[in-house]
Amino acid sequence: DAEITQSPRHKITETGRQVTLACHQTWNHNNMFWYRQDLGHGLRLIHYSYGVQDTNKGEVSDGYSVSRSNTEDLPLTLESAASSQTSVYFCASSGLAGGSQETQYFGPGTRLLVL
Amino acid sequence: GNSVTQMEGPVTLSEEAFLTINCTYTATGYPSLFWYVQYPGEGLQLLLKATKADDKGSNKGFEATYRKETTSFHLEKGSVQVSDSAVYFCALREAAGDKIIFGKGTRLHILP
Repeated sequence: DAEITQSPRHKITETGRQVTLACHQTWNHNNMFWYRQDLGHGLRLIHYSYGVQDTNKGEVSDGYSVSRSNTEDLPLTLESAASSQTSVYFCASSGLAGGSQETQYFGPGTRLLVL
Repeated sequence: GNSVTQMEGPVTLSEEAFLTINCTYTATGYPSLFWYVQYPGEGLQLLLKATKADDKGSNKGFEATYRKETTSFHLEKGSVQVSDSAVYFCALREAAGDKIIFGKGTRLHILP
């Protein structure tokens, strides 16, 4: 069955370190998204991609970057981790847009603690 | 800009009670509307959706009707179970593009 996976599931790091969170999907979806989930804020979009070599900033993109070198993967990098980036991170993917109303499928999440 | 507002929780009900979680939206054009559910320790999963006015989405005993005149998509279930305890997110998919905007979520506790 097609799925979307994230790794690691839990990560503890120190302020100032670079951290990369992996997201891999086997749906062959063009669209991939990264969100963070925090109490009182719900889910907020960090970055998204509509295809290989395409990346776009979401509403809370500062301090984060992504790259899309193939269809299956969209790694999220925290260039210099800050305590404000302690959160639960979710990756999601969806099929082609262009008029069709596609559902986003979510990974299980990565819980990140920045000390 | 587009936005989704849903009732704040937590909502606590007894088993077999009637559930309503209110959701209203602000959007240009004709967005698709969704309810997602998040069980403890898991990611979000689609519960139901509606793509045009007056459509009713339904799944697992839950229902929601797309009301354009009131810009609402309230979630209802006639008889809740303990296993329905979760966080529920109302969301809209913008008419242009493929981004989804989520509400802040409503935590639901069902007591046996």
